[in-house]
Amino acid sequence: EPEVTQTPSHQVTQMGQEVILRCVPISNHLYFYWYRQILGQKVEFLVSFYNNEISEKSEIFDDQFSVERPDGSNFTLKIRSTKLEDSAMYFCASGHAGNTIYFGEGSWLTVV
Amino acid sequence: SQQGEEDPQALSIQEGENATMNCSYKTSINNLQWYRQNSGRGLVHLILIRSNEREKHSGRLRVTLDTSKKSSSLLITASRAADTASYFCATDRTDSSYKLIFGSGTRLLVRP
Repeated sequence: EPEVTQTPSHQVTQMGQEVILRCVPISNHLYFYWYRQILGQKVEFLVSFYNNEISEKSEIFDDQFSVERPDGSNFTLKIRSTKLEDSAMYFCASGHAGNTIYFGEGSWLTVV
Repeated sequence: SQQGEEDPQALSIQEGENATMNCSYKTSINNLQWYRQNSGRGLVHLILIRSNEREKHSGRLRVTLDTSKKSSSLLITASRAADTASYFCATDRTDSSYKLIFGSGTRLLVRP
């Protein structure tokens, strides 16, 4: 069964450093997403991406965040200057409009 | 409260019993999806129910949707210890870019 893959599974970074989280969505999907989940809290929407551009973003997704689809398979989330409160599990997801959205296993980010 | 609120927040049952989790939401939806999350792991898709459907089954899972009450329920029959996890409902709202908004989740403990 096709799946969304994410790397790294864990990353520890110093506050102020840049972080890039990588995702390979399911190959024929057209919609891509990033979500995050702070430990013990609900899953929060960050951004959706369709047709090579952001289609919607949340208030969390400020100027420190950016997304890119550099080639036909990867989808990345960049955090420019990490803060302590960016520590969370980050999930990539993909799907077709109005259908099942599939999530990856997540990338644990710890900012110290 | 926010779109997609589950109750109860936590549920503890004996193996073999049925578990029922409820989800309420506020706005019109295209579909509602249920996910399972084992501690520290990714989101596993369980079932999608569309706004024009009232009930769906998948193995030991039964999902109902009442759009007039803006609520859904997930029933797990004959529960097993391996069903211990958090369960989330997520709504695909009609006024959004096919993104999902997650509820707070129900933590299910199935005692052997």
